[in-house]
Amino acid sequence: ELKVEQNPLFLSMQEGKNYTIYCNYSTTSDRLYWYRQDPGKSLESLFVLLSNGAVKQEGRLMASLDTKARLSTLHITAAVHDLSATYFCAVDMDSNYQLIWGAGTKLIIKP
Amino acid sequence: EAGVVQSPRYKIIEKKQPVAFWCNPISGHNTLYWYLQNLGQGPELLIRYENEEAVDDSQLPKDRFSAERLKGVDSTLKIQPAELGDSAVYLCASSSTSSWTDTQYFGPGTRLTVL
Repeated sequence: ELKVEQNPLFLSMQEGKNYTIYCNYSTTSDRLYWYRQDPGKSLESLFVLLSNGAVKQEGRLMASLDTKARLSTLHITAAVHDLSATYFCAVDMDSNYQLIWGAGTKLIIKP
Repeated sequence: EAGVVQSPRYKIIEKKQPVAFWCNPISGHNTLYWYLQNLGQGPELLIRYENEEAVDDSQLPKDRFSAERLKGVDSTLKIQPAELGDSAVYLCASSSTSSWTDTQYFGPGTRLTVL
């Protein structure tokens, strides 16, 4: 069964702290996407990771991909309130353009 | 560059009524997706189009849902008749197969409430 699991599903943290969201998937894939969704809004693309060892960074967010471990991480550095959102990872299984989505990690950053 | 446009943004109907959603993808994007998103969950694919052709509709409940993409641009998703369990956000996304990343770009969604 094709599965994408995110953890934690909910995370409340203080501003200034660091934390990591994990995305595990059950079969081989050569593409992994991270999206952000604000309440009542649509999904915004953050990162596309295309190969083993890929690392992408934008501001306080850094995403990495380990295809051998079937694991991607989204690391938040010195969190700020504006990063509060739900973060989804999605995996393109077998390059057939069908994305399998994780359940999302709801991140709340308290001032 | 304009993003994916969807309308309406909100729709409230009574069960057994029909409803239709419209999507205009990003200009030049040949692939169009319709997703359903329930509260607290990730999107679930309903149908994917490559130009005018529906290439993956395996998750579309065809007894009540239908979709079309005339001329390979705009698309319409219809539900007839709607059921209480259809209440959700319906998202449209588009991508370009000529893009190396195949990133899907999402519209704002239509929030459907069935009473």
